[in-house]
Amino acid sequence: EVQLVESGGGLVKPGGSLRLSCAASGFTFSSYSMNWVRQAPGKGLEWVSSISSSSSYIYYADSVKGRFTISRDNAKNSLYLQMNSLRAEDTAVYYCARPYDSSANDAFDIWGQGTMVTVSS
Amino acid sequence: SYELTQPPSVSVSPGQTARITCSGDALPKQYAYWYQQKPGQAPVLVIYKDSERPSGIPERFSGSSSGTTVTLTISGVQAEDEADYYCQSADSSGTPVFGGGTKLTVL
Repeated sequence: EVQLVESGGGLVKPGGSLRLSCAASGFTFSSYSMNWVRQAPGKGLEWVSSISSSSSYIYYADSVKGRFTISRDNAKNSLYLQMNSLRAEDTAVYYCARPYDSSANDAFDIWGQGTMVTVSS
Repeated sequence: SYELTQPPSVSVSPGQTARITCSGDALPKQYAYWYQQKPGQAPVLVIYKDSERPSGIPERFSGSSSGTTVTLTISGVQAEDEADYYCQSADSSGTPVFGGGTKLTVL
């Protein structure tokens, strides 16, 4: 079964750091770009970051640029998001998502269950 | 920054047809995608490349494109279709962009 499982969420104080992980299974992880998408409570979806299959290309939303770092370990079938200098507005459910086409990074057909990040003092 | 505009809400009676629009300047040049999200669940892809339906998605879901507007059509709406729907496309650099979402209410 194709599956993504996020972990690492929790409660953190403003200015703090957190590292999210996403474990992939059931598909050739190293062939796909991967993404992080977040959703603040009661709000819509917001793309956060993308990383190409070999980590050659990395992109960030302006809202997280300079504070978040995406990475992956293809040997461990894992995707990561290092989040530093966290702000209250980073409070959200964070999903990892896989595109349906391994040759592109457009529509996301596989999503994890999400991990909640709460930034509060 | 690039924006995709959706109506906040659409209401329809069971058995009727629901149409949810999404507008964006780059839509004539970029594909659009649609997701369904029910409370407490991850989004589910229901339409890709403007009008293609992934396997397992009911035939009552369809997509179309005209100029700067794409439309998700749900024919014969059922109670289980009540959910939030998001369009997604890409800006000129290929960065994914989501619309604000539309809450579909089945009356």
